[in-house]
Parts: sequence; C-alpha cells; structure tokens
Amino acid sequence: DAGITQSPRHKVTETGTPVTLRCHQTENHRYMYWYRQDPGHGLRLIHYSYGVKDTDKGEVSDGYSVSRSKTEDFLLTLESATSSQTSVYFCAISDKDRGTGNSPLHFGNGTRLTVT
Amino acid sequence: EDKVVQSPLSLVVHEGDTVTLNCSYEVTNFRSLLWYKQEKKAPTFLFMLTSSGIEKKSGRLSSILDKKELFSILNITATQTGDSAVYLCAVESLRYSGAGSYQLTFGKGTKLSVIP
Repeated sequence: DAGITQSPRHKVTETGTPVTLRCHQTENHRYMYWYRQDPGHGLRLIHYSYGVKDTDKGEVSDGYSVSRSKTEDFLLTLESATSSQTSVYFCAISDKDRGTGNSPLHFGNGTRLTVT
Repeated sequence: EDKVVQSPLSLVVHEGDTVTLNCSYEVTNFRSLLWYKQEKKAPTFLFMLTSSGIEKKSGRLSSILDKKELFSILNITATQTGDSAVYLCAVESLRYSGAGSYQLTFGKGTKLSVIP
C-alpha cells in the first residue's frame, strides 16, 4: 500500500464529540486528499491539500476541517460529530506535479467511523 | 458540476465469461480518466487514460477512452472469482483555484460478482 497509514482503523464515538482522523504518508507526495465512502454515493471528496498549510474544500466539506503542518501528515477533524458523518473515510495521496498532472491517487486502507 | 455515471450498477457472471463495464462523464477541464478495483479495503489503481482510442491493457483487463463521446469501457476477459469486486471509474479535472490543483470525481461503481 503506497506508504499510507490511516489511524485509527475503527472508531465509535458519540454525537457532539470532536474526532480527529490521521493520515500519514512516507512517499513525500505533494497532494493529499480525504474522501468519504457511503452506500449509494460512492467516494466523495471532503478536503484536499496541495502543500503544507495549503488546503481547499471538496464537495462535502461542511462539518469538517483539515490541517497539514507537515508534508507527511494530513488531519481530518469533525468538530462536533453527527450521525450523518458515520462513514468510511479514505485518505489518498498523489505526487502530481502542477505541470504534468498525470499521476493516479493511491489510497490508504480507510477508517470506519460510527457516530452513535 | 462534474458528473460520472457507471453502468451497470451490478453484474453477476460465471467464470470464463467476458464482461464490459461502462463509464460516461461530464466534466470541465478534463485531464484523465482512471479505473480502480475495490475489494474489501482501499481502491487499487488499474488504469489511467488520457488519450482517445489508445487501449491500455494489463493481462485480462483492458480499457479504452473515447473523448469525443465522453465515455470509457473496462473489459475483463475469461473472468475469475478473484475478479469479484467493485470497479470504480473516476475522472480527473483541473480545478483553477490558483494552485492548479487536480481533483477526482468518482462514479458510484459497478459491483461485479463472478460465480464458479
């Protein structure tokens, strides 16, 4: 698996509590992404990062924030978890260069989050 | 809004059959189309297509892109039970956010079941 580690692998939390998911890469790739995967919706982009301290929103960013203080780590935070955020969360990385753009995403093994 | 539609949503075949999975798309600033295979965990990369009419091939799997008609197909010949998975199509587009960043829009996937 392309040097990507997600933690924790599973988490159960209560509504209203803050939750942070971590993605760690050893590939020194510039781009990192957070996706959620739900039945009937496929993979949807939450946030992504194109460099240290450089992030942008995806299509389902409400209720989520991210931070990237180092190249290797990309954190996803749910400030106040809701049941609608129960999902499988995937981190992905890419070494896509701005000029060429031709590099596939490689995914971590996912974090299964349940909000009760 | 970028859109990727896969068909069929599910498919059941017998070992040895040949299958064709379809992916159509509507995106702005198209860069590439990618196919992934997802078994129980992370999606794994199969192909990236950027040019029309050029077939990519890997063993029994092959894929081709038609940029004029905005679709791609993934063919699997002589299917095996190990081919059972969800096959995801994703289209990469350039997002003009000042950083020249790229993002993927995924279809909902085709669930392939190969029975002995």
